[in-house]
Amino acid sequence: DTAVSQTPKYLVTQMGNDKSIKCEQNLGHDTMYWYKQDSKKFLKIMFSYNNKELIINETVPNRFSPKSPDKAHLNLHINSLELGDSAVYFCASSQATGFTDTQYFGPGTRLTVL
Amino acid sequence: QQQVKQSPQSLIVQKGGISIINCAYENTAFDYFPWYQQFPGKGPALLIAIRPDVSEKKEGRFTISFNKSAKQFSLHIMDSQPGDSATYFCAASWGTYKYIFGTGTRLKVLA
Repeated sequence: DTAVSQTPKYLVTQMGNDKSIKCEQNLGHDTMYWYKQDSKKFLKIMFSYNNKELIINETVPNRFSPKSPDKAHLNLHINSLELGDSAVYFCASSQATGFTDTQYFGPGTRLTVL
Repeated sequence: QQQVKQSPQSLIVQKGGISIINCAYENTAFDYFPWYQQFPGKGPALLIAIRPDVSEKKEGRFTISFNKSAKQFSLHIMDSQPGDSATYFCAASWGTYKYIFGTGTRLKVLA
C-alpha cells in the first residue's frame, strides 16, 4: 500500500492558469509538508500542517495556498501559475511535529508551466 | 549562515569502493543532521541521521561521521553497489520547525 500518495504525477499547464495538487497519507501521521524541488534538485520546504493547522509557512508567494481538509490530506492550490513555478512538488508526512521525526515523502508531482 | 554546503556535486565510484559525500555548515544551532537518498522519479527517503553529541553513527554499509569543531559531517557508503546509484542529500535542522537541505550529490556506482 502506498504510504504517501500524490495526484497527479505530471501536470502541464499554461501560464496564468490555476491548478491543484492533492496529497494523501495513510500512515496516521499528524504532520504533513509540501516541498519544492527545482531543476537543480534543490529541495526546499514550503508549508507544514499539524492536525490541519498551519505551522510552517516559508517565504512562498501567496499564489500558493495549502488546504488541509483532514489530517490525512494536504492539498496545494496554485493560482496564476508562472514559468518559475515549474518544479517537482513533494508531499511528506511525519508522526510528530518537528524535523527530527522521520519524514515519509510521496513520489512527487512534476509541474511544467508553459 | 543557514546554508549547508554539500560536495561533490557528482561522484562516480567502482563497485565495492567507498563513496564519500561531505557537508559543511556554519550555524552552530543545528542539532540534527539527516541524510536522504533519492532515486530517479521518487521522493527522498531518510537513510541515516545523527545528532551532534556523537561523532559517528553506522547503519549497515552507511556511516555518518560528524566533526563538531570543524562543523562538517559526511556520509560514507562502504562496499558501494550499483543499487546505491541515486542522489544523496544532507540536511540540517534547528529548533522544531527549521530545516534546510544541501544541494545534493549524484552518485553513480559502476558495475
